[in-house]
Amino acid sequence: GQNIDQPTEMTATEGAIVQINCTYQTSGFNGLFWYQQHAGEAPTFLSYNVLDGLEEKGRFSSFLSRSKGYSYLLLKELQMKDSASYLCAVGDSNYQLIWGAGTKLIIKP
Amino acid sequence: IAGITQAPTSQILAAGRRMTLRCTQDMRHNAMYWYRQDLGLGLRLIHYSNTAGTTGKGEVPDGYSVSRANTDDFPLTLASAVPSQTSVYFCASSDGQGVPDTQYFGPGTRLTVL
Repeated sequence: GQNIDQPTEMTATEGAIVQINCTYQTSGFNGLFWYQQHAGEAPTFLSYNVLDGLEEKGRFSSFLSRSKGYSYLLLKELQMKDSASYLCAVGDSNYQLIWGAGTKLIIKP
Repeated sequence: IAGITQAPTSQILAAGRRMTLRCTQDMRHNAMYWYRQDLGLGLRLIHYSNTAGTTGKGEVPDGYSVSRANTDDFPLTLASAVPSQTSVYFCASSDGQGVPDTQYFGPGTRLTVL
């Protein structure tokens, strides 16, 4: 079967660093996406990894290890506006996205 | 206006009624998708369309139908609504060519079936 696992909820402090993990088992692999979703809003694209390694984009970085079926999203210098759910999604062999349930990140002052 | 629009924003519907959720994009994207999002579950694909004139079934298609008469519009119809269809529905689109095929989402429709 196909499965994406992420922690349900995480809490971090403003200004700190947080790492959100995602493990996956899918039929085929055509890239891994991270999306951000604020409460009551639509998901918005954050990052894409298809090769092993780290992709950095400002305060956000995403890492992929295909051999381990593992990714993480790293958020630095946390701001209150980063409070949101973070969704991990993997492209399967049909290029359809399989989604994790999301990790709700709570930022405390 | 650039992006994806959905209508209505929210709706309360009696069980057994027919309902069409509308989705329009102006990015000339080839592919469009309908998802439902329920608490504690990931986004689940209902139906998709890789190009105008074609549609396909996703993970949870039962009770829903779609059509893709043109590039811009991708309506989702619930023929006879049931309470288990209470959910937030998101329409998305992507270029459908090359990798990555990033999906862009509409604002969602919150549907309650009583």
